[in-house]
Amino acid sequence: QEQLVQSGAEVKKPGASVKVSCQASGYNFMDYYIHWVRQAPGQGLEWVAFISPKSGDAKTAQRFQGRVTVTWDISINTVYMELSSLRSDDTAVYFCARDESSMLFPGGNWFAPWGQGTLVTVSS
Amino acid sequence: DILMTQSPLSLPVTPGEPASISCRSSQSLLNSDGYNYLDWYLQKPGQPPQLLIYLASSRASGVPDRFSGSGSGTDFTLKIRRVEAEDVGVYYCMQGLQTPYTFGQGTKLKI
Repeated sequence: QEQLVQSGAEVKKPGASVKVSCQASGYNFMDYYIHWVRQAPGQGLEWVAFISPKSGDAKTAQRFQGRVTVTWDISINTVYMELSSLRSDDTAVYFCARDESSMLFPGGNWFAPWGQGTLVTVSS
Repeated sequence: DILMTQSPLSLPVTPGEPASISCRSSQSLLNSDGYNYLDWYLQKPGQPPQLLIYLASSRASGVPDRFSGSGSGTDFTLKIRRVEAEDVGVYYCMQGLQTPYTFGQGTKLKI
């Protein structure tokens, strides 16, 4: 069964950093891009970044550039997203999602499956 | 950035009746390869989103055939032929044509 399992909830103070992990199983980790999407409480979805574990191809939304770092560890099929200089409006659930189009239709950008989400709370 | 606008934002429906959600983009999502880079997701309460439709009209694996997507360019529609109780949640369209990939505001379907 193809799935993504994310790390647990985090509480951070303003100005700190947080690192969320996303471990893949049930498929060839190297073959698919992973995207990060966040959802503030009661709000909609916002795309953050993507990474290819195979090529290292990566991109971050302009508004997060300089604050988001996406890395990966092939040995444990895991992608990480680190967000620095946290602010209260970074409080959100952060999802990782596999780009299902990666193998059959590269660049198609449709996401399945998704991780269960990680709540990051930024509060003093 | 490409702005995605959904309507309605709230959609009360009766089980067994059809439902329709509209999504408009501020730029054409029709790529030179002939495909529209538009996806639909459903987020059920307390769950992550799940893919319903990709490339505007292709149903994702395991999605019931009562769900269908149509449209091209800047105007797209998600239709549910006969709504069931399990279809409750928030529906999002997303453009995958260019970064930053952007989502509509969401349409809350309630029974």
